[in-house]
Amino acid sequence: GAVVSQHPSWVICKSGTSVKIECRSLDFQATTMFWYRQFPKQSLMLMATSNEGSKATYEQGVEKDKFLINHASLTLSTLTVTSAHPEDSSFYICSASGPGAYGYTFGSGTRLTVV
Amino acid sequence: AQKITQTQPGMFVQEKEAVTLDCTYDTSDQSYGLFWYKQPSSGEMIFLIYQGSYDEQNATEGRYSLNFQKARKSANLVISASQLGDSAMYFCASPAGRFGAGTRLTVKP
Repeated sequence: GAVVSQHPSWVICKSGTSVKIECRSLDFQATTMFWYRQFPKQSLMLMATSNEGSKATYEQGVEKDKFLINHASLTLSTLTVTSAHPEDSSFYICSASGPGAYGYTFGSGTRLTVV
Repeated sequence: AQKITQTQPGMFVQEKEAVTLDCTYDTSDQSYGLFWYKQPSSGEMIFLIYQGSYDEQNATEGRYSLNFQKARKSANLVISASQLGDSAMYFCASPAGRFGAGTRLTVKP
């Protein structure tokens, strides 16, 4: 079945630094990628939707300059949290869809802790 | 945009019994769909079942089935013969990537 590999699974970084999270579709072309953040015991909050080769569409209230999304190829999308602060600590998860995949396939998530 | 609503923050069910998790949606699209996902404590999202608006029959996948009522705009998930491993968060979601608030299901032995 379709697989999305997300790395890293967890990361701890210092306040003010940037962190890049990668999602790779291993056996299908991810024409669409969704990026979410999830706080403990809450639902997934859609941050942005990106289509390969296009600029991401951000949800209202999500800072584009802080959460940089790149979807330059059909197998790779990245989310960069720039100048991270403790309030950015969260669980970030991607999901992808495309030819060869039924529905949406999720990555395993990245737990970001900013100290 | 399709809006998804789950009104049950938590549900309890006895092992081996069936349970229904509610999901309602609001859309003006003629063609739409609903996904159900399970999220155990490990955090991974597990796809369970999908229902398309043009599907003539309710979707079924093993112990999971959907009670799809277009007139009520509801797509409730029915889990039959609950198992302890079914304890998890359950989310209803739209194809546009929007999720309901989720329901925490606890299966009691």
